[in-house]
Amino acid sequence: NAGVTQTPKFQVLKTGQSMTLQCAQDMNHEYMSWYRQDPGMGLRLIHYSVGAGITDQGEVPNGYNVSRSTTEDFPLRLLSAAPSQTSVYFCASREAGGQNEQFFGPGTRLTVL
Amino acid sequence: AQSVAQPEDQVNVAEGNPLTVKCTYSVSGNPYLFWYVQYPNRGLQFLLKYITGDNLVKGSYGFEAEFNKSQTSFHLKKPSALVSDSALYFCAVRDRTGGFKTIFGAGTRLFVKA
Repeated sequence: NAGVTQTPKFQVLKTGQSMTLQCAQDMNHEYMSWYRQDPGMGLRLIHYSVGAGITDQGEVPNGYNVSRSTTEDFPLRLLSAAPSQTSVYFCASREAGGQNEQFFGPGTRLTVL
Repeated sequence: AQSVAQPEDQVNVAEGNPLTVKCTYSVSGNPYLFWYVQYPNRGLQFLLKYITGDNLVKGSYGFEAEFNKSQTSFHLKKPSALVSDSALYFCAVRDRTGGFKTIFGAGTRLFVKA
């Protein structure tokens, strides 16, 4: 199994540009999440999904959109990039059930100029 | 508000010495508790979790964690540190009442010197 994969690994955008970060998992996990990691702030939840066709906002959703058309894929769209969105983005998945741990992708390092 | 505190930004230990990385939490009820490790330029990897039962939980790479309900703590420990343990460690909690969200601490950087 590949686990959780993310593309691209690195991306540089100009302010106002849009882009999509890709995330896929091959473990048939129902739950998927997008986090951003900023120094000294841990991981903050952007959006999440509890199954295909179901998404919801996390704690920092502004400026981002998601969709979940299949169990495997959970893309994150930046609508109009801003320097404040410079961060490292992680996708994660897990089985349903509160006791289950998350599996993380390798991350996408995004810089917005 | 629910929160997780990792009071030390960095922990320095010598190789072969025991290590402790501290975590306390403020979450209602008895949450599920997790530790993750992040090596440079990598995603987080699961180390161990507390669900119920024995307060001492054993995990990957020789790590263990002690759950203390009265102190609302879940400290990560290892009897003998290795240089390769140097990484960023995150404590995380999840409400047991069915909530989706996981709350992460800010992380503690562990530096093990030879």
